Amino acid sequence: DIQMTQSPSSLSASVGDRVTITCRASQSITNYLNWYQQKPGKAPKLLIYAASSLQSGVPSRFSGSGSGPDFTLTISSLQPEDFATYYCQQSYSAPWAFGQGTKVEIK
Amino acid sequence: EVQLVESGGGLVQPGGSLRLSCAASGFTFSSYWMSWVRQAPGKGLEWVANINQDGGEKYYVDSVKGRFTISRDNARNSLYLQMNSLTAEDTAVYYCARATHRGNSYGQSSWVMDVWGQGTTVTVSS
Repeated sequence: DIQMTQSPSSLSASVGDRVTITCRASQSITNYLNWYQQKPGKAPKLLIYAASSLQSGVPSRFSGSGSGPDFTLTISSLQPEDFATYYCQQSYSAPWAFGQGTKVEIK
Repeated sequence: EVQLVESGGGLVQPGGSLRLSCAASGFTFSSYWMSWVRQAPGKGLEWVANINQDGGEKYYVDSVKGRFTISRDNARNSLYLQMNSLTAEDTAVYYCARATHRGNSYGQSSWVMDVWGQGTTVTVSS
């Protein structure tokens, strides 16, 4: 089974900061890597798919890069509504797996 | 409006059973793979199971194999998760999600879960 490791597990940042979250797969997953945002008490929301493609309706300050096994989610200028937990997820092979999450908190 | 609505959660004793349902609307349910994802209190997301369009292909995380069964009724636009032999470790919010294979103009693609329900809470406790 493929394991996903995210870092950091949490970070504190200010509005306007550039934020980078990394995700590493335990083996190559080519571009079968997605990023989700989850706010407390809410369902996850798809942000990025196929490692670097922006889901429709997602602000362009979000971007993704990388190719198996190392990936990055970047928020170019953090906004108040971006404080949330972010998860990477591989869909290369079953069982699909999520990273453990990165909680982005207000500094 | 594309929508998924879960139901069937509740309090169940260890060793008990529960059947979750997910009602789909606003899209052609029979054309999509579907997934269940769960989240234990204060923990991260865990993918649980997938099912293909006609129910002929099913995949599970190891921790639920032999205990959980994913199924669907395309005539009713509904997805189900039958959960047996429940333990405290199964306590979680359970989400259903629509799964689809999405590509981009660069020839890259990925399976994504692009529509999610609001979740239903399962608590396993005596």
